[in-house]
Amino acid sequence: DGGITQSPKYLFRKEGQNVTLSCEQNLNHDAMYWYRQDPGQGLRLIYYSQIVNDFQKGDIAEGYSVSREKKESFPLTVTSAQKNPTAFYLCASRREGGEETQYFGPGTRLLVL
Amino acid sequence: QQQVKQSPQSLIVQKGGISIINCAYENTAFDYFPWYQQFPGKGPALLIAIRPDVSEKKEGRFTISFNKSAKQFSLHIMDSQPGDSATYFCAASLGTGANNLFFGTGTRLTVIP
Repeated sequence: DGGITQSPKYLFRKEGQNVTLSCEQNLNHDAMYWYRQDPGQGLRLIYYSQIVNDFQKGDIAEGYSVSREKKESFPLTVTSAQKNPTAFYLCASRREGGEETQYFGPGTRLLVL
Repeated sequence: QQQVKQSPQSLIVQKGGISIINCAYENTAFDYFPWYQQFPGKGPALLIAIRPDVSEKKEGRFTISFNKSAKQFSLHIMDSQPGDSATYFCAASLGTGANNLFFGTGTRLTVIP
C-alpha cells in the first residue's frame, strides 16, 4: 500500500518544548515538502528537500528545522522558537524528472497546552 | 504577498447546480496549475491540473478553464453533489527546479441537498 504517512495525527506541545513530526513515503519520490495550514491562509511552505542530505527553507522556516537522512523520511521539528505553532501540518512528496504533482499525507494537528 | 488569489472564500450551491471557483495569478512564468480537494482533517488530494498551452481541461464533472491573457483560471463542478462538499485550493508552479507550489487561500464549498 503505497503512500505518505504522517504521525502522530494529533500532537500536544508544552511551553518551551521541541516536538518532532514524522513523515514517511514509500513512493520512491525524490522531493519532499512540509507545509503549514492555518484557517483562511491556504498552505504555506516551511521547508523542502529535493535530495537526501539537502534541504531548503521555504516561506516560513523560522522556528522549524528538518533533516533528510533517508530518501523516504523527512521529519519536521517545531522548536520552542516557534511562538505560534498551533496549526495543521502537511507533508508532501513529488517524483523528480518532469512530474510536478505533489502528493500529500493525512496531516498532523499540533496544539499547544 | 499572495502569489495566487482565490475567490470566493466560501460557496453554497444547490445539489445539481454548477460550482465555480476562480483564481488569478501575476507571475507569467507559472506553467502548471493544479486544483486540490481537501476534506476536513485530511490532506489535500489532486483533483485536476492544467498547463497554459490549453484553454480547457475536463475530467468527469470537473473542468478547468484557463485564460492566459487574463492570468486567470477557474474550476467548474457540474451537477454538484453533497459529496463534493470540501475545501478546494488552486495552486501554481514554476514547473522547474523544486516545483514549489503556490497555493490560493481556499474555497469552502457546501452543496445542499
